[in-house]
Amino acid sequence: AQTVTQSQPEMSVQEAETVTLSCTYDTSESDYYLFWYKQPPSRQMILVIRQEAYKQQNATENRFSVNFQKAAKSFSLKISDSQLGDAAMYFCAYRSDYTGNQFYFGTGTSLTVIP
Amino acid sequence: DAGITQSPRHKVTETGTPVTLRCHQTENHRYMYWYRQDPGHGLRLIHYSYGVKDTDKGEVSDGYSVSRSKTEDFLLTLESATSSQTSVYFCAIRSGTGRNQPQHFGDGTRLSIL
Repeated sequence: AQTVTQSQPEMSVQEAETVTLSCTYDTSESDYYLFWYKQPPSRQMILVIRQEAYKQQNATENRFSVNFQKAAKSFSLKISDSQLGDAAMYFCAYRSDYTGNQFYFGTGTSLTVIP
Repeated sequence: DAGITQSPRHKVTETGTPVTLRCHQTENHRYMYWYRQDPGHGLRLIHYSYGVKDTDKGEVSDGYSVSRSKTEDFLLTLESATSSQTSVYFCAIRSGTGRNQPQHFGDGTRLSIL
């Protein structure tokens, strides 16, 4: 089984500032997919961003971007211009391109946005 | 909206009783998953299905069984519920087309076993 590690259980950021959430993973595979999900207090799981391992370019979705370092097996999420609505639990997830069916999740980072 | 409905949304039951949670999808996706979410553990896979009557175990499958007799429905059963199975349960689906497809989740079921 793959291991996904989120070493920051809690983070906080001032509104309008930038914050980076860390994620590392353990794999011997070369092809895989990485995802960040957001879970607000409503409990919904919302896809934030995805990255294919074969792509060198870092994915970007509006204020959300990733720093994908394949050699370091690191996949951090940067949130720019933080907003109150960004307050949530964030989960990093990994899916193999070989075994394919299973997703592996980290334990999550709880983000607080300070007005 | 990925067309996923979980039922019930909340349930309280007693130790030793059977419990069945239902996941219904409207988009004929091939893959369906059941997870449990507990503080400090993130989401852990219980079982998943890759087609009608095709299922496989996940990381925490002990005490759980599943069935998928129709594409649209994936049932999770706790044959004899225990307090350690108190959790929030999520169903997820994934399209079989496109290798980079993410999972989409239902709204979760909060299950309390007293």
